[in-house]
Amino acid sequence: EVQLVESGGGLVQPGGSLRLSCAASGITLGSYWMHWVRQAPGKGLVWVSRMNSDGSSSSYADSVKGRFTISRDNAKNTLYLQMNSLRAEDTAVYYCARELGGFDYWGQGTLVTVSS
Amino acid sequence: DIQMTQSPSSLSASVGDRVTITCRASQSIGRYVNWYQQKPGKAPKVLIYTASSLQSGVPSRFSGSGSGTDFTLTISSLQPEDFATYYCQQSYSSTYTFGQGTKLEIK
Repeated sequence: EVQLVESGGGLVQPGGSLRLSCAASGITLGSYWMHWVRQAPGKGLVWVSRMNSDGSSSSYADSVKGRFTISRDNAKNTLYLQMNSLRAEDTAVYYCARELGGFDYWGQGTLVTVSS
Repeated sequence: DIQMTQSPSSLSASVGDRVTITCRASQSIGRYVNWYQQKPGKAPKVLIYTASSLQSGVPSRFSGSGSGTDFTLTISSLQPEDFATYYCQQSYSSTYTFGQGTKLEIK
């Protein structure tokens, strides 16, 4: 059974940093394109970042470019999102998702709250 | 970035109705559109990928069509469990984007 489990969310002050993790089981992350998607409270889905299967390429939404970094640890089968210079508008539930056709497996999400 | 514009933003319908949601891309994107259903407090679920391919396990009352800039998601006969929010998404460019969502409510 495929499972994606996010962790690392919490309350952080504006300008602070957090690292989100997405631990995978039942699949090998290095075989798939993987994504981060976020959803502010009561709002729609926003794509944040993706990494290709061999880790050679990544891309970011304009709103997070230069502040967020996607990475992967193949030995731990875990995807990461390093978030720096956080802003109030980064407050959201963050999901990791596997792309195969569409985004066919999602984690349960982890809430990031940026507030003083 | 490619913008995805969904319409309508909200829709009231009854069980058994046929419903169509549309999505327009700001530039031609071939057939690189996926559709998702999301219920409150849950992660989204993919329904349709590459415009018209039905995801495994999704009921056949869901269908998708379109290419270029205009795409549709159709639910042929609404069931009670279909009341949710629906999103289109483009995967044509290296930066993916979602539509703003369509909330489907019970009339």
